[in-house]
Amino acid sequence: EPEVTQTPSHQVTQMGQEVILRCVPISNHLYFYWYRQILGQKVEFLVSFYNNEISEKSEIFDDQFSVERPDGSNFTLKIRSTKLEDSAMYFCASSGQGSRNEQYFGPGTRLTVT
Amino acid sequence: QKEVEQNSGPLSVPEGAIASLNCTYSDRGSQSFFWYRQYSGKSPELIMFIYSNGDKEDGRFTAQLNKASQYVSLLIRDSQPSDSATYLCAVENQAGTALIFGKGTTLSVSS
Repeated sequence: EPEVTQTPSHQVTQMGQEVILRCVPISNHLYFYWYRQILGQKVEFLVSFYNNEISEKSEIFDDQFSVERPDGSNFTLKIRSTKLEDSAMYFCASSGQGSRNEQYFGPGTRLTVT
Repeated sequence: QKEVEQNSGPLSVPEGAIASLNCTYSDRGSQSFFWYRQYSGKSPELIMFIYSNGDKEDGRFTAQLNKASQYVSLLIRDSQPSDSATYLCAVENQAGTALIFGKGTTLSVSS
């Protein structure tokens, strides 16, 4: 069964550094998303992406964040100048054209900012 | 601010019983509703979705939707210890571009 994959599984970075989180969505899906979950809290929407542009972004997704689909398979989230409060699990999700609403999540990247 | 509310639990049921999980949402324009299961330290796993008022059954799971009351529920029949997890209710925004999640209900099934 097709799956969303994410790399790395765990990223440790120092405050102020830039990180890039990578995702490979399910191959025939067209809609891509990033969510985050701070430990013990709810899953929060960050951004959605379709047809090479952002469809929607939340208040969390400020100028510190950017997304890109650099090729036909990868979808990346870049976080510039990381802060301690960026420490969280970051989940990539994708959904298909025929079943646009049903989002399937990857295993997540645990980001730890020290 | 659109909200999705769930009782955080824990909800404890014995093996073989029916577990009932509830969710309310604030955005009356929402059209699509989802239940995800999240094991500790893992990612959300989609287990049910429902778009129309009424019941939808899939194996041991039944999702129920009442848009007038802005209420979604998930019933798990013949609960198993492996069902022990946090169940997340998610509601799609009106634009269909994002899911809004509740905090989740922790279910514990004892053998």
